[in-house]
Amino acid sequence: AQSVTQPDIHITVSEGASLELRCNYSYGATPYLFWYVQSPGQGLQLLLKYFSGDTLVQGIKGFEAEFKRSQSSFNLRKPSVHWSDAAEYFCAVGGGGNKLTFGTGTQLKVEL
Amino acid sequence: SAVISQKPSRDICQRGTSLTIQCQVDSQVTMMFWYRQQPGQSLTLIATANQGSEATYESGFVIDKFPISRPNLTFSTLTVSNMSPEDSSIYLCSGKIGGDTEAFFGQGTRLTVV
Repeated sequence: AQSVTQPDIHITVSEGASLELRCNYSYGATPYLFWYVQSPGQGLQLLLKYFSGDTLVQGIKGFEAEFKRSQSSFNLRKPSVHWSDAAEYFCAVGGGGNKLTFGTGTQLKVEL
Repeated sequence: SAVISQKPSRDICQRGTSLTIQCQVDSQVTMMFWYRQQPGQSLTLIATANQGSEATYESGFVIDKFPISRPNLTFSTLTVSNMSPEDSSIYLCSGKIGGDTEAFFGQGTRLTVV
């Protein structure tokens, strides 16, 4: 069965500081990996995705993620956080045409 | 990706009643899904909405409680039946244009059952 672990429930960073959100997955084949962001009262917006190829993936809003097969990880990074990045971030895993399995989310707080 | 319009955006309902949530996509999609997000929790897949046939439900979800329709490739509904306070959640619909593509989401329906 596929699963996703986001070990950090809450993270607080100062504006301008770097950010890394952790994601570990379990999947029986080559995974499709995603990061979504959810602002309060909103649906989910896709930040980036990994299907194949280059293991360092660039997304929107200055985010990037690196797929590390040996560590079953897909951590999300941003070099300099903005106050508007405060939101909840979900990592998800799925296969082609299949449903997504989401992690429990990481709530990001940005201190000004 | 396509855009999903989901309505209502929120509702407060009496226990024992039913609510139907609608999702309209602005282009044809091969797959549509319904998720539940309980307060402070992650998303849990309820079912895959199949066009022209019965939905495929995940473990713990049944058709009598969550009947789903998908009459065509751009529209789906989820009904939450005989509601109880435990059904208070955000319900989100999702679509995929093809197998090797990302899922995109509606804005969600925030349901409160009193």
